[in-house]
Amino acid sequence: GQNIDQPTEMTATEGAIVQINCTYQTSGFNGLFWYQQHAGEAPTFLSYNVLDGLEEKGRFSSFLSRSKGYSYLLLKELQMKDSASYLCAVRGGQGGSYIPTFGRGTSLIVHP
Amino acid sequence: GAGVSQTPSNKVTEKGKYVELRCDPISGHTALYWYRQSLGQGPEFLIYFQGTGAADDSGLPNDRFFAVRPEGSVSTLKIQRTERGDSAVYLCASSGETDTQYFGPGTRLTVL
Repeated sequence: GQNIDQPTEMTATEGAIVQINCTYQTSGFNGLFWYQQHAGEAPTFLSYNVLDGLEEKGRFSSFLSRSKGYSYLLLKELQMKDSASYLCAVRGGQGGSYIPTFGRGTSLIVHP
Repeated sequence: GAGVSQTPSNKVTEKGKYVELRCDPISGHTALYWYRQSLGQGPEFLIYFQGTGAADDSGLPNDRFFAVRPEGSVSTLKIQRTERGDSAVYLCASSGETDTQYFGPGTRLTVL
């Protein structure tokens, strides 16, 4: 299986920038996803990385280094509505599984 | 509909009873996944369908859990002889050609 590690909780100030890290160990890496999940709601897709580098999408960017087993999600110009759990999910394993394995999530609290 | 739908949204049952949870994926999505999520945890994989067949059921915890997708669209997750430890939010996701998973709102199962 995959070992996925991300911080349990982070706090940040409205308008600031925050970086949420995710490290993983897997064989047959086949993609990394970031999802946002508000309390009591379903996860919603944010980004997908399969090659090294930075993917930018509006206020959110995601970075991947396959050699280091490392990704981060960068959130700019933080808004109160960004308070949520951010889930890192890795696809890999024997035979290049299509099943993403999720980390425990990072709870982000944005305060005024 | 436009997104993944799940019914019921909430289910309360007594220990030992049988329950069925339904998932209606995005139209045209051939892949369907069931996950369950406990408080403070990421989604935990249960079973994956490609079309009508279960391509990977390695996440089902024991033989009390079973899922079907007879016509390659709607899926039903069935739990026999429910136990208090089965209480969780059961999430369904579907994906199409891009492999990005789109989640439904989930069914909150409470076993008393």
